[in-house]
Amino acid sequence: EAQVTQNPRYLITVTGKKLTVTCSQNMNHEYMSWYRQDPGLGLRQIYYSMNVEVTDKGDVPEGYKVSRKEKRNFPLILESPSPNQTSLYFCASRETSGGAGDTQYFGPGTRLTVL
Amino acid sequence: KQEVTQIPAALSVPEGENLVLNCSFTDSAIYNLQWFRQDPGKGLTSLLLIQSSQREQTSGRLNASLDKSSGRSTLYIAASQPGDSATYLCAAIPWGGYNKLIFGAGTRLAVHP
Repeated sequence: EAQVTQNPRYLITVTGKKLTVTCSQNMNHEYMSWYRQDPGLGLRQIYYSMNVEVTDKGDVPEGYKVSRKEKRNFPLILESPSPNQTSLYFCASRETSGGAGDTQYFGPGTRLTVL
Repeated sequence: KQEVTQIPAALSVPEGENLVLNCSFTDSAIYNLQWFRQDPGKGLTSLLLIQSSQREQTSGRLNASLDKSSGRSTLYIAASQPGDSATYLCAAIPWGGYNKLIFGAGTRLAVHP
């Protein structure tokens, strides 16, 4: 089954404790991205990747890091989480980097709470 | 800067009604517009994608239209069912900004028997 998976699905942590949210897709997609969703604000893009070893900032990259060492994986790293990073996070992928007309596929989401 | 707005924020209707969900965007220069459904704990599911050269797309009981000149898209749901209860999101890809979707805040729909 074609899918985007994220782990963990739920995470409660404390301020300053480094964490990684994993994202993996099994569709051989070139393009992957991370969004966060907050009430009343919709989804906002954090980072995106056009292909392996190619990443760039989205609209809200502060406090986050990403890497793309393999085509299928695109982990989101919070080096020193803060309470304002409490949110629902989604990973997404689409087939081609230039394929703006391609459908985007989303993972199930990771609900992060930072105390 | 492109902004996407969805009205209403919430909607509750009895089963069987035909519904219209609205999405407006501030800049008509979009590459495409996509409608998603969000269910709790299940992420986003793509429903329909309308290219800028298209006026509408249909899938089953769903029909989405796009009017770039007025900056609007509508999602029409025919003969609504309780299983349609979810949050519906629209998102635009702007021309020259192919690397992200710009989302509205969504319409939360409840269809009661």
